[in-house]
Amino acid sequence: GESVGLHLPTLSVQEGDNSIINCAYSNSASDYFIWYKQESGKGPQFIIDIRSNMDKRQGQRVTVLLNKTVKHLSLQIAATQPGDSAVYFCAENRGTGRRALTFGSGTRLQVQP
Amino acid sequence: NAGVTQTPKFRILKIGQSMTLQCTQDMNHNYMYWYRQDPGMGLKLIYYSVGAGITDKGEVPNGYNVSRSTTEDFPLRLELAAPSQTSVYFCASRPRGEMGIYEQYFGPGTRLTVT
Repeated sequence: GESVGLHLPTLSVQEGDNSIINCAYSNSASDYFIWYKQESGKGPQFIIDIRSNMDKRQGQRVTVLLNKTVKHLSLQIAATQPGDSAVYFCAENRGTGRRALTFGSGTRLQVQP
Repeated sequence: NAGVTQTPKFRILKIGQSMTLQCTQDMNHNYMYWYRQDPGMGLKLIYYSVGAGITDKGEVPNGYNVSRSTTEDFPLRLELAAPSQTSVYFCASRPRGEMGIYEQYFGPGTRLTVT
């Protein structure tokens, strides 16, 4: 069935390096995407979002790229810090009028000092 | 604003017991959601509500019930607890989404163990 999924369950990077977390989606009607960060023992926290009429959006140290041709979403974190260690989820809104987001299974980012 | 609050933070239930997980938001959001998250897994939608008096099933509603009598509150009820319901439960809310923004705001979670 259609789903949101992630390529890598765990990503380990060195402090100061850039991180790229990927997400594939299969629903061409999806019009909105969002990345959440979840630290251990806490609820998911908003990082950045992007609408389907955009292909790039930047925040503070984070960039989301959307490639609708291949249905691919990525989160780039610049100069990764130990505080970035967490599980990252992508989620999609599968079209106008949908009432709930569909979440991927998550990628764990481990930042090595 | 306190945002989304959940109580209790932790609970241990015996098989067959019942309990209600409380969720309150003070942002006047129309939409509210309940998710469960099993260890090392993503979020699965249990139930959601688009406004007071309106609820609908998500992916995994069996064994749960909800009600939405006010905009602020969205309690989740477990009637006959089973070990399979051991999980972390998250409540979330969001505004109506007129601007095409569907960001959900999450509470801190309730960790439930059924033994």
